[in-house]
Amino acid sequence: EAGVTQFPSHSVIEKGQTVTLRCDPISGHDNLYWYRRVMGKEIKFLLHFVKESKQDESGMPNNRFLAERTGGTYSTLKVQPAELEDSGVYFCASSQDRGRLAVNEQFFGPGTRLTVL
Amino acid sequence: GDSVTQMEGPVTLSEEAFLTINCTYTATGYPSLFWYVQYPGEGLQLLLKATKADDKGSNKGFEATYRKETTSFHLEKGSVQVSDSAVYFCALRRAGGTSYGKLTFGQGTILTVHP
Repeated sequence: EAGVTQFPSHSVIEKGQTVTLRCDPISGHDNLYWYRRVMGKEIKFLLHFVKESKQDESGMPNNRFLAERTGGTYSTLKVQPAELEDSGVYFCASSQDRGRLAVNEQFFGPGTRLTVL
Repeated sequence: GDSVTQMEGPVTLSEEAFLTINCTYTATGYPSLFWYVQYPGEGLQLLLKATKADDKGSNKGFEATYRKETTSFHLEKGSVQVSDSAVYFCALRRAGGTSYGKLTFGQGTILTVHP
């Protein structure tokens, strides 16, 4: 069974440009999460999808970030326009949680390293 | 809000040495606690977890005990190997509420094991 995949693995863009990151979760996982790690600091939660709905987007830093999960399968995270502080590694994860009290493993992808110059 | 604090790294050890990576947390209620590991070029993998006080999680020779009284979840291994070289992340998750899926991570500890 394929794990969580992310594309691209690396992206280098200039300030003001737009970048779209993609995440394909494990097949059958309703829950999809985005996280970000900036400059060797802690990994921070961005948002959580249950199927195609946003369950929790409390970690999204500002309105330059737009996440979508059309059809409840893969997800995209668009940054427009990108700023220098957006540089970091963006991780996607998926899980089979059923409901608020389940604590099932979140499986992580390898991440997309974004560099904004 | 919730937070996780890990010991500062990097940690450098010789093969077969004893490993401890400290982790303390701040959270309301009874969160579940996790250790994740990231090997070079790979994504994070769940190493072990504990879901209630006094539970001990273990995997691949690593252990961590959920200590409610000290709000800690220290990672230990009796004899490290070169293949254990990786970045280790402590994390917590609170069940229930709107943010039930959110993992809160520490800053990560880089472990390097020399032959």
